[in-house]
Formats: sequence, structure tokens, C-alpha cells
Amino acid sequence: GAVVSQHPSRVICKSGTSVKIECRSLDFQATTMFWYRQFPKKSLMLMATSNEGSKATYEQGVEKDKFLINHASLTLSTLTVTSAHPEDSSFYICSARRSLVSNEQFFGPGTRLTVL
Amino acid sequence: AQTVTQSQPEMSVQEAETVTLSCTYDTSESDYYLFWYKQPPSRQMILVIRQEAYKQQNATENRFSVNFQKAAKSFSLKISDSQLGDAAMYFCASRGDDKIIFGKGTRLHILP
Repeated sequence: GAVVSQHPSRVICKSGTSVKIECRSLDFQATTMFWYRQFPKKSLMLMATSNEGSKATYEQGVEKDKFLINHASLTLSTLTVTSAHPEDSSFYICSARRSLVSNEQFFGPGTRLTVL
Repeated sequence: AQTVTQSQPEMSVQEAETVTLSCTYDTSESDYYLFWYKQPPSRQMILVIRQEAYKQQNATENRFSVNFQKAAKSFSLKISDSQLGDAAMYFCASRGDDKIIFGKGTRLHILP
């Protein structure tokens, strides 16, 4: 099956710093990648959708200047949390889809971000 | 717009018994997909089963099956012969326009 990796799996940072999370599709090319945020014991909330080579589409209420998404290649998308604050602490999960018409979406293992 | 509603925050079932998790959804799309995902303590999302809305036949994957009632916009998951490894959060999800939207989840406990 298709594998999606995320790096790092855990990160702790100080308030005010920026953190970059990488999402890679290891054995397929992903035309579309999705970023989700999951609070403890809560559901996955879609933050944004990114297509390779174009700007990400953010969901309502998600600050695009706060959560910078780059999908520079068909196998890599990055989420940068800028000027992180404790309220940004959460579990971030990426997901990748093989093609525009595919209904299969593969999930990464997630990244736990803790902002002190 | 899509919405997915899971009204059971938690459920318990005896090992080897059958349990049904409920899900209702709403979408304006005519062509859509429905999913059940499992999230064990590792937090890795695992696809359990998938249903294409245009298919009338209910999807089945080994011990997992769905009851898809399109008119009622209902999509329940039945787990037969429950096993300890089935303990997890289960999320119902729909994909309509371009993205997967999740329900709030049901935590399933398996009682030995």
C-alpha cells in the first residue's frame, strides 16, 4: 500500500519560534495533499488543501499567514507554524492523494507539536 | 457543504460480539464517497471500509460491513466477532467536492 511519512513525529518549541513539519509520499506521487489538526480526544479538522505547484486553499478560520503550506514537489508538502504559541500545540496529520480522480487518500502518522 | 454526525461518543462491546456504530451525513454533492477510519492509540489513521454512493450494494471487508441508506443519509458500521484489537476511535467520513470531512468519532471499547 501507499506510504506517507511525516517528520518530525514530535517537536517541542519555544513560544515565538517557527516550526516546519514535512509530509512525504514515499512510493507514489501525490497531486494533492491535505493538512489536518487534531485536538486531544477530538476529530480531525481540515486546515488546508494543497496541490503541487499552486497555492494552498485554506479552510475558513485557518490563518494562512500563521500556517504556511508549501507543496513544492509531487512527493513533499511542508507545514510551517510561524510564531508558534501554546494554543498551536496540537497533533498535525497530513494526507496525500494519488491523483485528482482518485478516491484513495493515505494518511501520515502525525506530528505532535508542543509549544512551551 | 458536507457534514458528518456521529452521535455515539463511546460504545462498548463484549469480545466476539457484534457492534454497530452510527453515522449520518449531509452533502449537496451527487457523487460522493463515504468512509470509516480507525484510529488506534498510535494515532495512525487506518481505512476500514469505503462506500461509493452510486453503488447500492453495501461494502464489506471481512468482519466489517456497512449499512448504507442513501435516502436517509445514514452510513453505519457493523463489526462482527469483535476482537481486542478493534478497540480504537472510529471516524465516519465523507468525500464530496475534493476533501474528506470527518465526524467527531466514536471510541469503541472491547470488553474481554
